[in-house]
Amino acid sequence: SYDLTQPLSVSVALGQTARLTCGGNNIVHKNVQWYQQKPGQAPVMVIYTDKNRPSGIPERFSGSNSGNTATLTITRAQAGDEADYYCQVWDSSTYVGFGGGTRLTVL
Amino acid sequence: QVQLQESGPGLVKPSETLSLTCTVSGGSMSSFYWSWVRQPPGKGLEWIGYISYSGSANYNASLRSRVTISVDTSKNQFSLNLRSVTAADTAVYYCVRHGWSSAPLDYWGQGTLVTVSS
Repeated sequence: SYDLTQPLSVSVALGQTARLTCGGNNIVHKNVQWYQQKPGQAPVMVIYTDKNRPSGIPERFSGSNSGNTATLTITRAQAGDEADYYCQVWDSSTYVGFGGGTRLTVL
Repeated sequence: QVQLQESGPGLVKPSETLSLTCTVSGGSMSSFYWSWVRQPPGKGLEWIGYISYSGSANYNASLRSRVTISVDTSKNQFSLNLRSVTAADTAVYYCVRHGWSSAPLDYWGQGTLVTVSS
């Protein structure tokens, strides 16, 4: 399996920029997805294939992938962005790996 | 708009089989892949396995010996069977759609909590 490492928690001041990281060996060679999960709800994809936003996801959400780290960036953070965020990759097209998740707190 | 809905018992006894069904509405199952993902209370996401519209399945190696996923496109449903369950299998179970075997997981069901307890 392919290991993905995420910080347990990230805090950001209201209106500022949050950067959530996802570490993996040569993750640049993988397509990374990011999912947002609010309490009691199913995950929602916010970024796919490293940097693409699904329809309906605000432009404030962006993604990048380089070297051993993929990053989800949320600009102008809002209270409604508080959630758990999971990164995800496919390993050899046969196995789905998830990071352990990061709890984003907006102060 | 594609919608997925999980159904099945919310309580299963230890050593028995957990069985869930996902009903797909608003779209065809053809040409897509269908996964199960679970989340123990307070913990992260774990992929269980997927099945293609044509019936080809692939499972998480850690669960492979206990899992079977099947599909019935005539009913727009796919199912999960997890055998010999223990308390560690207590989780919210999600059914998920993806466009091909290694595609983003784009549509998720709302999830259903299954508790393993006597």
